[in-house]
Amino acid sequence: GENVEQHPSTLSVQEGDSAVIKCTYSDSASNYFPWYKQELGKRPQLIIDIRSNVGEKKDQRIAVTLNKTAKHFSLHITETQPEDSAVYFCAASRGKGAQKLVFGQGTRLTINP
Amino acid sequence: DAGVTQSPTHLIKTRGQQVTLRCSPKSGHDTVSWYQQALGQGPQFIFQYYEEEERQRGNFPDRFSGHQFPNYSSELNVNALLLGDSALYLCASSKRTSRYEQYFGPGTRLTVT
Repeated sequence: GENVEQHPSTLSVQEGDSAVIKCTYSDSASNYFPWYKQELGKRPQLIIDIRSNVGEKKDQRIAVTLNKTAKHFSLHITETQPEDSAVYFCAASRGKGAQKLVFGQGTRLTINP
Repeated sequence: DAGVTQSPTHLIKTRGQQVTLRCSPKSGHDTVSWYQQALGQGPQFIFQYYEEEERQRGNFPDRFSGHQFPNYSSELNVNALLLGDSALYLCASSKRTSRYEQYFGPGTRLTVT
């Protein structure tokens, strides 16, 4: 069945450094890949997404890259700040429009001042 | 513009009881998806409602059922509660046919004792 593997499970970086989180998906028909940020006790917040017809998308300090051949996608955060500390989830779906999201296991990112 | 809302915030139930959780989607959205998030894990898809019908279903038993009303709000019902049903229940709002993004509500924390 569909599966999304995410790593690392925990990541600690110094403030100002970059952080990279990677995900691999199993369903080759997947065509939509969002990333969510979840702070403790709060809802998952959509921070960036990419569709399969695009290889890279950037929004200020955040970027996502997609390699369809290898079936993996990555989240890149540059110039990290303490408020970037949270759990990040990748997800994948297939089909047109909003469909079932299959989530990775999450990465706990800690930014050290 | 109201975001996604859920009620109640917290709920404590006893094994064997039944529970109903509620979700109101973001203004302009017509689709509600329900997810279960166990502690320390990524959300798992339960089902999706669109045009008052269940459109997709994840790997959850029939004890989990739902409903969508003409105003697009939705309910999640769980019968014969088990200890393992303790989790954060999230609903996600979207506009199914034209957009891919899904926005989460704050969730309902269900504890089964």
